[in-house]
Amino acid sequence: GAVVSQHPSWVICKSGTSVKIECRSLDFQATTMFWYRQFPKQSLMLMATSNEGSKATYEQGVEKDKFLINHASLTLSTLTVTSAHPEDSSFYICSAWGGGTEAFFGQGTRLTVV
Amino acid sequence: GQQLNQSPQSMFIQEGEDVSMNCTSSSIFNTWLWYKQDPGEGPVLLIALYKAGELTSNGRLTAQFGITRKDSFLNISASIPSDVGIYFCAGPNTGTASKLTFGTGTRLQVTL
Repeated sequence: GAVVSQHPSWVICKSGTSVKIECRSLDFQATTMFWYRQFPKQSLMLMATSNEGSKATYEQGVEKDKFLINHASLTLSTLTVTSAHPEDSSFYICSAWGGGTEAFFGQGTRLTVV
Repeated sequence: GQQLNQSPQSMFIQEGEDVSMNCTSSSIFNTWLWYKQDPGEGPVLLIALYKAGELTSNGRLTAQFGITRKDSFLNISASIPSDVGIYFCAGPNTGTASKLTFGTGTRLQVTL
């Protein structure tokens, strides 16, 4: 199956700093990438949809200025959490879709803001 | 918006037992997906269902797409310790095949 890689797998940052998370499709070109957030013992919640070369579409309640998404190429999307605060601590997961019947998920990034 | 409710929320079973879980929706879905998530990992697709009434197997897993298109069931036969994890149903949001709404999840724990 197709491989989607996230980096880093985990990160700890100080409150007020920014953190960038990368999502790469390793063996296919991803027309669209999705970013999800998962709090402990909860389900995945879609944050935003990004298409290569265009602005991301954010779900209701997700601050676009706080969660900056860049989808500069067909194999890479980045999520930057700006001015992170402890309440932003969560598990962030991306998925990549190449036009087929399913999207493939990355392994996730655990963000802890201290 | 679309909501997917799963039951049971969690279950403890003994190795070798069969497991059943279901997922119900407030609206119709044209595709049902079942994922498993291990701790600290992203979800992995187990089974995809594309037609009402469809029954699909993947090894010890069997899933069915409900006739009403508002529910789906996942069964695991002869459970083993590596079946431990969280199982999510998911369906694509209207108009976008790969933009998914996830269910509330069923946490499965297997005892020896």
